[in-house]
Amino acid sequence: DQQVKQNSPSLSVQEGRISILNCDYTNSMFDYFLWYKKYPAEGPTFLISISSIKDKNEDGRFTVFLNKSAKHLSLHIVPSQPGDSAVYFCAASAYSGANSKLTFGKGITLSVRP
Amino acid sequence: DTGVSQDPRHKITKRGQNVTFRCDPISEHNRLYWYRQTLGQGPEFLTYFQNEAQLEKSRLLSDRFSAERPKGSFSTLEIQRTEQGDSAMYLCASSLVERGETQYFGPGTRLLVL
Repeated sequence: DQQVKQNSPSLSVQEGRISILNCDYTNSMFDYFLWYKKYPAEGPTFLISISSIKDKNEDGRFTVFLNKSAKHLSLHIVPSQPGDSAVYFCAASAYSGANSKLTFGKGITLSVRP
Repeated sequence: DTGVSQDPRHKITKRGQNVTFRCDPISEHNRLYWYRQTLGQGPEFLTYFQNEAQLEKSRLLSDRFSAERPKGSFSTLEIQRTEQGDSAMYLCASSLVERGETQYFGPGTRLLVL
């Protein structure tokens, strides 16, 4: 039972263009969403998050959009850089403040071509 | 802020042996989480502590697994009678519940059971 789904296993974009990484969830109790970036043999690095009370959050080149009615979120990276090449995980948590264990998707491998 | 640290980074063991991993969270963080990641999957929740209290354990955490956080600071995860299926990356994360849901991960311990 995959509650967080990242259906596209990989994405390749040209340097300087926009990268759009998608994520869907099924559990309507999820109220906090995060994106992590992971390089091989390292732990996930936090990128950006969004609470369910918002529909957009921006931090530099990274913007996360949340569509609660569609149970869908996306991460936009503009402009994409070769150093952005990594695996990106979408994660969600429920019951804000009470139990914040994260449920992760399987990840998307982003390749940014110079 | 020195980040989350984990020791060892790599462990190779023979089936049936016991192994113990250590996690040192970010110093002021009161929540500490353990996750496991296998190839092609996102991290999966194992257990978490708030201060020294273990508040939840996943059904993934069989009787051979035990975790402790004796003084509310560092934590240990022990696997007894290791099996080949235990081979994975074991990730530790920490958070400060008063500052929201964001969890910061350590570099992980890569376990290989032969």
